[in-house]
Amino acid sequence: DAGITQSPRHKVTETGTPVTLRCHQTENHRYMYWYRQDPGHGLRLIHYSYGVKDTDKGEVSDGYSVSRSKTEDFLLTLESATSSQTSVYFCAIKGLTSGADNEQFFGPGTRLTVL
Amino acid sequence: DQQVKQNSPSLSVQEGRISILNCDYTNSMFDYFLWYKKYPAEGPTFLISISSIKDKNEDGRFTVFLNKSAKHLSLHIVPSQPGDSAVYFCAASATYGQNFVFGPGTRLSVLP
Repeated sequence: DAGITQSPRHKVTETGTPVTLRCHQTENHRYMYWYRQDPGHGLRLIHYSYGVKDTDKGEVSDGYSVSRSKTEDFLLTLESATSSQTSVYFCAIKGLTSGADNEQFFGPGTRLTVL
Repeated sequence: DQQVKQNSPSLSVQEGRISILNCDYTNSMFDYFLWYKKYPAEGPTFLISISSIKDKNEDGRFTVFLNKSAKHLSLHIVPSQPGDSAVYFCAASATYGQNFVFGPGTRLSVLP
């Protein structure tokens, strides 16, 4: 299994509070991603990173920011959580490859509830 | 508008029979496709992939078929086992791109 962990695994917070989710990898992979999973929508990309301090927006980036100061850590921040951000959040990592093994490896997920 | 569609939210199959999960895409730039399997309370795990230079890829009980002209791919599981019960996501990328677009998933239930 790819060495990827997420913390916390569960969090309940109130509307308007800031929340930070952490993704940590031990694979030294270049690419890291944050997705949210919601019923009927599958996995939607929030932000991704292609190197230290190099990040870009995904499909559903509004209300989220990210930071990557080290290869192994990718942080997702909700500056002011809203109930619409209640979801399961997955981090994924991927190496730099153009070959057939071009897949992402996912973390175990963080279930976030915003009351 | 979803670029990757899985029009069957759920599918039930008897153990030992074939499971066929379908996926359609709209972006003609997509040329690499993957299937992921997800159990409850776990992250998705990679199952099988196919590039557009092929129309079939096989790995044990799992086979993925790609029909580029129809922008359609399917995952066949033969024989289906109760442990295959999970949500299956189809994903696509362009030119071995670094980002993937995922479909909404199909929940497969294999009945003993």
